[in-house]
Amino acid sequence: NAGVTQTPKFQVLKTGQSMTLQCAQDMNHEYMSWYRQDPGMGLRLIHYSVGAGITDQGEVPNGYNVSRSTTEDFPLRLLSAAPSQTSVYFCASSYSILLVSEAFFGQGTRLTVV
Amino acid sequence: AQTVTQSQPEMSVQEAETVTLSCTYDTSESDYYLFWYKQPPSRQMILVIRQEAYKQQNATENRFSVNFQKAAKSFSLKISDSQLGDAAMYFCAYRGSSGGSNYKLTFGKGTLLTVNP
Repeated sequence: NAGVTQTPKFQVLKTGQSMTLQCAQDMNHEYMSWYRQDPGMGLRLIHYSVGAGITDQGEVPNGYNVSRSTTEDFPLRLLSAAPSQTSVYFCASSYSILLVSEAFFGQGTRLTVV
Repeated sequence: AQTVTQSQPEMSVQEAETVTLSCTYDTSESDYYLFWYKQPPSRQMILVIRQEAYKQQNATENRFSVNFQKAAKSFSLKISDSQLGDAAMYFCAYRGSSGGSNYKLTFGKGTLLTVNP
């Protein structure tokens, strides 16, 4: 099983550039989310989706956009990268938010904005 | 808003010994879920153990067990017979059961565990 696949694993961007972090899961999970991990901060929720066509903001959404056109994919877009967005990004999915189901995480994307 | 506090930024343990990682949380909800995640140097987030708040019995998974004190809002992780492969960052996480808090995991800042041979 592939589980949750994130691409790329590493990326360096210049300030002002745009890019999309890809996330795909093959477990038919309803719920998908994006977190960022910063030193000494733990993981913080950026955006989440409870199903295809439904997205909502987490606690740190500024500077990021998401869409969920299919159950499998949940890309995260940085429209104009800033150094403050240097972080490790994790995509996670789980079967349902209504059930106590395990959250499966991708392997993360280390993003550096210079 | 819920908060999760891990008061030990770093801990160390000798191989084969026992170590306890602390976690406290703040919530006004009566029903919720608590988790411990392990993050080794590979960066992968791995679920170690979970606890439903309505269950009084402490969860156990092989060498990993928790001490869940609901009234004190405390959720510590005990690792017995520590192994070199247990070395990692450990995150305590909270998930609510309703009112919008069920859509996200709230994480503590993590405890870096070193296992000495």
